[in-house]
Amino acid sequence: NAGVTQTPKFQVLKTGQSMTLQCAQDMNHNSMYWYRQDPGMGLRLIYYSASEGTTDKGEVPNGYNVSRLNKREFSLRLESAAPSQTSVYFCASSVLTSGPYNEQFFGPGTRLTVL
Amino acid sequence: AQSVAQPEDQVNVAEGNPLTVKCTYSVSGNPYLFWYVQYPNRGLQFLLKYITGDNLVKGSYGFEAEFNKSQTSFHLKKPSALVSDSALYFCAVRDTGNNRLAFGKGNQVVVIP
Repeated sequence: NAGVTQTPKFQVLKTGQSMTLQCAQDMNHNSMYWYRQDPGMGLRLIYYSASEGTTDKGEVPNGYNVSRLNKREFSLRLESAAPSQTSVYFCASSVLTSGPYNEQFFGPGTRLTVL
Repeated sequence: AQSVAQPEDQVNVAEGNPLTVKCTYSVSGNPYLFWYVQYPNRGLQFLLKYITGDNLVKGSYGFEAEFNKSQTSFHLKKPSALVSDSALYFCAVRDTGNNRLAFGKGNQVVVIP
């Protein structure tokens, strides 16, 4: 099993450009998440999808949109990138969002720089 | 809203010595608590979790954590640190009443040979 995969690994954008970060998991998990990691701030939840067909805002959703394409795939879109969105983005998945079986499994991350 | 605090930015320990990484939490209900480790340029890896039951939880790579309800703490421990344990460690908590996992800011652990 590949676990959680993310593409691309690195990306440089100019302010105002758009892009989509891709995430896929092969563990048959119901729930998927997007986080951003900034120095000294830990991980902050951007959006999550408790199950196929549902998405919900997390702690820092402004400037982002998501699509749960199917059970395997959960994409994150930046419509108009800003320098404040320079960060490392992690996708994660878990069996469920609730209950004891919700430890999350993380992808390798995407390093995004917005100039 | 739930939250965690990891009070130390960096923990330095000599190889072979005991390692402790501190975490305190705040939740309104019963907590689910987690520890993750992040090696350089990698995603987070799950180490262990506390759901209920025994206050001492054993996890991967020889790590364990002690849940203390009265002190609202969930400190990560390893009896004998290895140089390969040098990494960033995150504590996380979820309130049983909602779906969100709150992460601490992380602790850099440096094991000195």
